[in-house]
Amino acid sequence: LAKTTQPISMDSYEGQEVNITCSHNNIATNDYITWYQQFPSQGPRFIIQGYKTKVTNEVASLFIPADRKSSTLSLPRVSLSDTAVYYCLVGDRMDTGRRALTFGSGTRLQVQP
Amino acid sequence: DSGVTQTPKHLITATGQRVTLRCSPRSGDLSVYWYQQSLDQGLQFLIQYYNGEERAKGNILERFSAQQFPDLHSELNLSSLELGDSALYFCASSVGLAGGPIGELFFGEGSRLTVL
Repeated sequence: LAKTTQPISMDSYEGQEVNITCSHNNIATNDYITWYQQFPSQGPRFIIQGYKTKVTNEVASLFIPADRKSSTLSLPRVSLSDTAVYYCLVGDRMDTGRRALTFGSGTRLQVQP
Repeated sequence: DSGVTQTPKHLITATGQRVTLRCSPRSGDLSVYWYQQSLDQGLQFLIQYYNGEERAKGNILERFSAQQFPDLHSELNLSSLELGDSALYFCASSVGLAGGPIGELFFGEGSRLTVL
């Protein structure tokens, strides 16, 4: 069963750029990589999705190397409100051939003033 | 507001009991996913339905079952409850099979189950 691996936690200060890397060695050819943000007692919220190279939206950038075995979420100039848990998500082919969606353990980002 | 509605928001029950959690997906979304999140833990995938058909199973216990109805709402049934079943249960929906280009998941606010 494919898994994603992320750092358990990261600390940063307001105004800094934060990069969170996710390893997904067994990503399937057709799978996209999606990142979610979760605040305590809330459901995860979509941040960004990509397939390869680089994707940018108004809140983040996503860098995916050619082999797609990892991805890096980049948050520019973080603020206190970015303190949350960040998950990367890729499709996960189970033994039956059916696909499941497995979240990694997430990275707990703490932003300090 | 994600457009995904989960009820009840909170539920307290005793060991050995059975509960049903309900999820209404966003209008037009065909896929429904159930996740379990225990205190300070990550999201554990339980099961996925697509247009009424079970598509994938994760770490779902035999005491748990789910279904998606013709109107696309879904129910998660938890029986013979144990203390360890206390958790937040999230439902998510997407337009199609997630992982592809239209696979963004929209999560509800969750149902917090406490088993005493």
